[in-house]
Amino acid sequence: NAGVTQTPKFRILKIGQSMTLQCAQDMNHNYMYWYRQDPGMGLKLIYYSVGAGITDKGEVPNGYNVSRSTTEDFPLRLELAAPSQTSVYFCASSEERSSYEQYFGPGTRLTVT
Amino acid sequence: GQNIDQPTEMTATEGAIVQINCTYQTSGFNGLFWYQQHAGEAPTFLSYNVLDGLEEKGRFSSFLSRSKGYSYLLLKELQMKDSASYLCAVRASLNDYKLSFGAGTTVTVRA
Repeated sequence: NAGVTQTPKFRILKIGQSMTLQCAQDMNHNYMYWYRQDPGMGLKLIYYSVGAGITDKGEVPNGYNVSRSTTEDFPLRLELAAPSQTSVYFCASSEERSSYEQYFGPGTRLTVT
Repeated sequence: GQNIDQPTEMTATEGAIVQINCTYQTSGFNGLFWYQQHAGEAPTFLSYNVLDGLEEKGRFSSFLSRSKGYSYLLLKELQMKDSASYLCAVRASLNDYKLSFGAGTTVTVRA
């Protein structure tokens, strides 16, 4: 049971490039989330999903897109990368609406220069 | 929006006790969570409070007062491995499974 996995671990992008951050979970969780964490800051919710085919915006969705075609996978797409998107990105999942625990992936450290 | 405040940094000595406070002002309340995050790693779940009172789990305890919008995490018998950031997070309502996080408190344990 791998839990929540994320790839890549590190990435450097040039301004204007695009990329997809991959996230997968093998716990059959319906709920999945994408956060970004800037130095000295808490986690900010970018997008979330309550199940395959259903996604919604969080606090800071601008510049990002997501899709959820399966229960397991929840990729995050960055279009036209900007320096303001330099951050650590965490994917998380949780079991049911009443569950109190979110399980986090190891994170992707992204630098945009 | 949701407002969650916690101190930025705390320092304590190995073997001592440290209390990390968290105050919140949110549109609703259905649970408060504490996560631990070591540098360069993912957050991991520590505790959950939804009713007033103290929840104890080994060396860690968490307290909640809903009327005061206040929680604390108590770390006892501090060990060097407890040096980490501690994140307070609030779930605003039963129908809202999203969490709002505070900025985190960095705890440094010194020998």
